[in-house]
Order: sequence, then C-alpha cells, then structure tokens
Amino acid sequence: EVQLVESGGGLVQPGGSLRLSCAASGFTFSNYWMLWVRQAPGKGLVWVSRLNGDGSTITYADSVRGRFTISRDNAKNTVFLQMSSLRAEDTAVYYCARAPHGGYVDSWGQGTQVTVSS
Amino acid sequence: DIQMTQSPSSLSASEGDRVTVTCRASQTVNRNLNWYQQKPGKAPKLLIYTVSNLQSGVPSRFSGSGSGTDFTLTISSLQPEDCATYYCQQTYTTPLTFGGGTTVEIK
Repeated sequence: EVQLVESGGGLVQPGGSLRLSCAASGFTFSNYWMLWVRQAPGKGLVWVSRLNGDGSTITYADSVRGRFTISRDNAKNTVFLQMSSLRAEDTAVYYCARAPHGGYVDSWGQGTQVTVSS
Repeated sequence: DIQMTQSPSSLSASEGDRVTVTCRASQTVNRNLNWYQQKPGKAPKLLIYTVSNLQSGVPSRFSGSGSGTDFTLTISSLQPEDCATYYCQQTYTTPLTFGGGTTVEIK
C-alpha cells in the first residue's frame, strides 16, 4: 500500500523558515516524481514544486521560487520542502504527492499545516 | 500560465441525477487534463487522468471527456457519497494549475 506521511509543519513567524518532510513507503520511491501542493484555508489547490526520480529536474511555482527548495533522499525514501522567508500568504495545508509522470497525482499524503503569523 | 476555469462553482442536485462539471483552459492542454475529488478535511483523490481514464477503484458512474480547451466531468447517477469539491488540473505545462473547484451537494 502506498503511504505518504508528511511532518514538520507548525507555527512560524513571518520571515522564518520551516522544513517539511514526507516519508514514502509501499512503492519504489526513486521511480517517481514527487510534488508538493498546498491549500490555503477555504481555498483551492495550488501546485508548489516537483522533482523527478533522481532529483535532476526541479520546477517551482513563481510564488515560491527563490524561497523554497525541494529535494529528496532516495536512500531514505523521503522528499523535503525547505521553506524560508515565509510570508502570511504561505499559510496552508501542504500535501506531499506522488506523480507517475510528473503530472497527475495518484497518491497524496494527509497534509501538514503551516501557519505563518506573528 | 494556463488558467483553468470551472463552472459552476457549486451545484445542488438530487440523488440519482446526472451531474456535469465543466472545465475550460485558457489555452490548449491537449489531453493533459485530470479530475480530483476532495471531501472536507481530507486529501484530494484522483478520479480521472488524461481526460477520460478512470483511476483504479473509482466507480464507473464517473466519466470524463473533452480535448483542447474544454472538458467535462460527469457523474451519471449522483450518490450521497459524491458530495465533495471537484477540481480539474492541467498537466500540459508548468506551472501545473488547478481549477477553482466545484462543490457538489445533494438536495
């Protein structure tokens, strides 16, 4: 069974940093693109970033480029999202997601809440 | 960026009704269009990928159609468990973009 379990969310002040982790199991992790998607309270889904199986191809949404860094450790079956210079508008539930071809998501984590507030 | 526009933003229908949700892209996405279902407090769930391919385990009352810029999600016979918000997503090019969502309720 595919499982994606996020951790690392929490309350952080504007300008602060946070590192999200997503532990994957139940599939050959290195064969899959991984994505982060976020959802602000009461709002829709917004794609944040993705990287391919070996981490050589990475793309970001304009809203986070230069502030967020996606990475993966295939030996530990984990994908990360390092978030810095956080803003109030980054407040959202962050979902880790598996994308077989870098596009559609066939498995989602349960999400982790990130709140940016003073 | 490709903008995805869903309509309606919400709808209310009776159990057993045929329900249609529309998604329009601001430019062609070929067949790179997917649909997700999200229930309150839960992660989204993939329903349909590349326009019309039903994800494993998804009931056959769900179907998708379209190409280019105009796409449709159809629920052939609405069931109480289908109450949720539905999102389309284009994966033709980055940034990958989602529609604003359509909330489906039972009358």
